[in-house]
Amino acid sequence: GAGVSQTPSNKVTEKGKYVELRCDPISGHTALYWYRQSLGQGPEFLIYFQGTGAADDSGLPNDRFFAVRPEGSVSTLKIQRTERGDSAVYLCASSLRRGGQRLKSLTGELFFGEGSRLTVL
Amino acid sequence: EDQVTQSPEALRLQEGESSSLNCSYTVSGLRGLFWYRQDPGKGPEFLFTLYSAGEEKEKERLKATLTKKESFLHITAPKPEDSATYLCAVQAQQAGTALIFGKGTTLSVSS
Repeated sequence: GAGVSQTPSNKVTEKGKYVELRCDPISGHTALYWYRQSLGQGPEFLIYFQGTGAADDSGLPNDRFFAVRPEGSVSTLKIQRTERGDSAVYLCASSLRRGGQRLKSLTGELFFGEGSRLTVL
Repeated sequence: EDQVTQSPEALRLQEGESSSLNCSYTVSGLRGLFWYRQDPGKGPEFLFTLYSAGEEKEKERLKATLTKKESFLHITAPKPEDSATYLCAVQAQQAGTALIFGKGTTLSVSS
């Protein structure tokens, strides 16, 4: 597609339930990121994939959060035993990394999706 | 601790009234500073990257500048369509690829 696609756009769930959020990045983008944005705050880094592997998961708040990208394209963010504090907009972003390119010229220029708004009741 | 502070939190301008948004940062080695625009209900949209003090970038009515401690986003003769939240983010040398965002400045331009 033309941009980063995220589904669902809205998800309402009950405390304790399991949730999956999907991200389809721009075709050909090898780098994929998940961020979380609470109301009135800037996005907060969760995890970064380069290809199929999680290159940096230091932002995941606890072991209830997990993300996969099995074929190096679509990614799924999984949240177990949801809590009310997990309510936020979950943003996915992708960027293009080419071999031989200077790292700093590409890693901050992210293309974001419109986000998945998660509400935990 | 790496940190980004944006001011003001909100700014109201009349169409054509130029102003500046501030982004102050503390980071252990700056790899890059980034400005994004975010419209309500949308994801952030990339505007500029700045790498070193003294650098400037321009795009239409926007100009971003960088010093060793802060960045400014100057808006010249704004129009109502410039209304949005402007986010500043830094990438630290020791933080891998993660961006650290400020809370943003919400700009409203009235005609």
